[in-house]
Amino acid sequence: SAELTQDPAVSVALGQTVSITCQGQTLRRHYATWYQQRPGQAPVLVMYDKNSRPSGIPDRFSGSNSGNTASLTITGAQAEDEADYYCHSRDTSGIHREVFGGGTKLTVL
Amino acid sequence: QMHLQESGPGLVKPSETLSLTCSVSGGSISSSSYYWGWIRQSPGKGLEWIASIYFSGSKFYNPSLKSRVTISIDTSKKQFSLKVNSVTAADAAVYYCARRGGDYQALDAFDVWGQGTMVKVSS
Repeated sequence: SAELTQDPAVSVALGQTVSITCQGQTLRRHYATWYQQRPGQAPVLVMYDKNSRPSGIPDRFSGSNSGNTASLTITGAQAEDEADYYCHSRDTSGIHREVFGGGTKLTVL
Repeated sequence: QMHLQESGPGLVKPSETLSLTCSVSGGSISSSSYYWGWIRQSPGKGLEWIASIYFSGSKFYNPSLKSRVTISIDTSKKQFSLKVNSVTAADAAVYYCARRGGDYQALDAFDVWGQGTMVKVSS
């Protein structure tokens, strides 16, 4: 089965730009999706199809994909962006099997 | 606005079976563009996909859990369910149900999530 690897923690100064990365072989075939999870809340979809944002997600969020690496970039990070971020994709062993990254805790300083 | 709501026992004894239900409102459970999944999160840990099911009954399981879990759907009640057999402390988690886009007409993601239900395992 596939694995998705994320850095456990990343920090960014208020108003600056930060990228959260996700690596895995399955990303060579399938796009990553990204979820934001604030403490005590359910995950919220923030990015899909490499660089598409659901309605209501600010345009400071963007996504990209290159080879086996996907990135979620926040341009001008805000205090409310402090959260855990998870990447997700389809497993290489079957399109209906799913795999999540271990998550990245983003701290906004 | 689609809404998902999990329900379950909250506390399960070791070796017993955990049963959870997700109720779907605000939209159809029988759309061919979507399927339905269960994801869990152990305390302080990341997200783990458990299983997914189409309204037709086609089922897909995480290989690491397949021997102990069963997913089912009741379209007449607009519910889908998860059973986990022989639970241990490792099964203690927040369990989420979610909608998954399945074709070009839907977002290729888990786009709607329930609020989650916490399950503890203790005698």
